Amino acid sequence: QAVVTQEPSLTVSPGGTITLTCGSTTGAVTSGHFPYWFQQKSGQAPRTLIYDTHNKHSWTPARFSGSLLGGKAALTLSGAQPEDEAEYYCLLSYSTGWVFGGGTKLTVL
Amino acid sequence: QLQLQELGPGLVKSSETLSLTCTVSGDSIRSSNYYWGWIRQSPGKGLDWIGSIYYGGSTYYNPSLKSRVTISVDTSKNEVSLKVMSVTAADTAVYYCARHRAGMTLYWGQGTLVTVSS
Repeated sequence: QAVVTQEPSLTVSPGGTITLTCGSTTGAVTSGHFPYWFQQKSGQAPRTLIYDTHNKHSWTPARFSGSLLGGKAALTLSGAQPEDEAEYYCLLSYSTGWVFGGGTKLTVL
Repeated sequence: QLQLQELGPGLVKSSETLSLTCTVSGDSIRSSNYYWGWIRQSPGKGLDWIGSIYYGGSTYYNPSLKSRVTISVDTSKNEVSLKVMSVTAADTAVYYCARHRAGMTLYWGQGTLVTVSS
């Protein structure tokens, strides 16, 4: 089964920009993996931020964007806010099912 | 508006079967073109996809759980069910129900904590 890789932890300064990535041990991540990005704050259920690589929900802050970058799915946060401190997970679709990344703990400091 | 509600016992004894139900409102499992899945999160750990079912019969399971897991739908009740056999402490987790489809968003239930006791 594929393993989906994410940075375990990242730190960004308030107002700063940071990119989280999501890779696959099977090769390059493409739009055919239909990448998702989820945000989970402490004690809460996850919520979907990005689906199908770059599509946002009505509740997704404009400062978040999704893309493909260097063979990986990417989540870019531009203008970080203290409330963006959370765990971020990606999810990729494969012919055999779906696989989550291990998550990135994002600290805004 | 789609709502997913996970229901089931909060405590299950080791070696027994964990059974959960996801009640779906705001959509019909029978008529919708979506996958209905289960995801879990052990305390302090990451998200783990358990499996998904497509109305019409196709099921996909996490290979690491496949031998112990069954996901099914009851269209008369508009419910999705999860059964995990022979549970151990490692199955203690918050279990989430989800609706998803390639290229479309993933909707989450609020989750329910299941603790496996010895």
